[in-house]
Amino acid sequence: AQTVTQSQPEMSVQEAETVTLSCTYDTSESDYYLFWYKQPPSRQMILVIRQEAYKQQNATENRFSVNFQKAAKSFSLKISDSQLGDAAMYFCAYRINYGQNFVFGPGTRLSVLP
Amino acid sequence: DTAVSQTPKYLVTQMGNDKSIKCEQNLGHDTMYWYKQDSKKFLKIMFSYNNKELIINETVPNRFSPKSPDKAHLNLHINSLELGDSAVYFCASSQAGTPYEQYFGPGTRLTVT
Repeated sequence: AQTVTQSQPEMSVQEAETVTLSCTYDTSESDYYLFWYKQPPSRQMILVIRQEAYKQQNATENRFSVNFQKAAKSFSLKISDSQLGDAAMYFCAYRINYGQNFVFGPGTRLSVLP
Repeated sequence: DTAVSQTPKYLVTQMGNDKSIKCEQNLGHDTMYWYKQDSKKFLKIMFSYNNKELIINETVPNRFSPKSPDKAHLNLHINSLELGDSAVYFCASSQAGTPYEQYFGPGTRLTVT
């Protein structure tokens, strides 16, 4: 069974600094997709970034980037120039190929300190 | 335009009551989901429907019954509510056969007293 692990239940970062959130996953599949979702206090789940496993290039979206290490089954999220609005729960998620099942990690609560 | 909507957003009820949560998506997706998020924020899949057919049915008490009248709607009915049912329930949708993410509704916070 596929599992997703986020080993950091809580993290904090100073405003304008950089922080990296960790995610590892377990799968025997070779074709899959990985996602980071953000859940602010409003509780709305918002997609931050998506990575296709077949792509070697790491995905980036403005201040958000990932470090995807397929062999190590690692998918970390780097937030640069952290802003107060980045404070949220962050969930790592996995989807097999075009499958209908998404597996979520337990989440990391990120605090941004002014 | 709201992509995935849920009603109500808040629901407070007493133990033993029966309640329903409605979900609608206007994205043209063929797959819809219900998740339960507990107080520790863990997201647990409950059900998934593809084109009105149940495809994922995790270990959930049979007091929970999903209903999909068409592929744009997935409702959740809960019988004989218990204190442990208090949580946030999320509806989500996705399109099978594509690599894309799930889109989530705003969530329904259910409080059972």
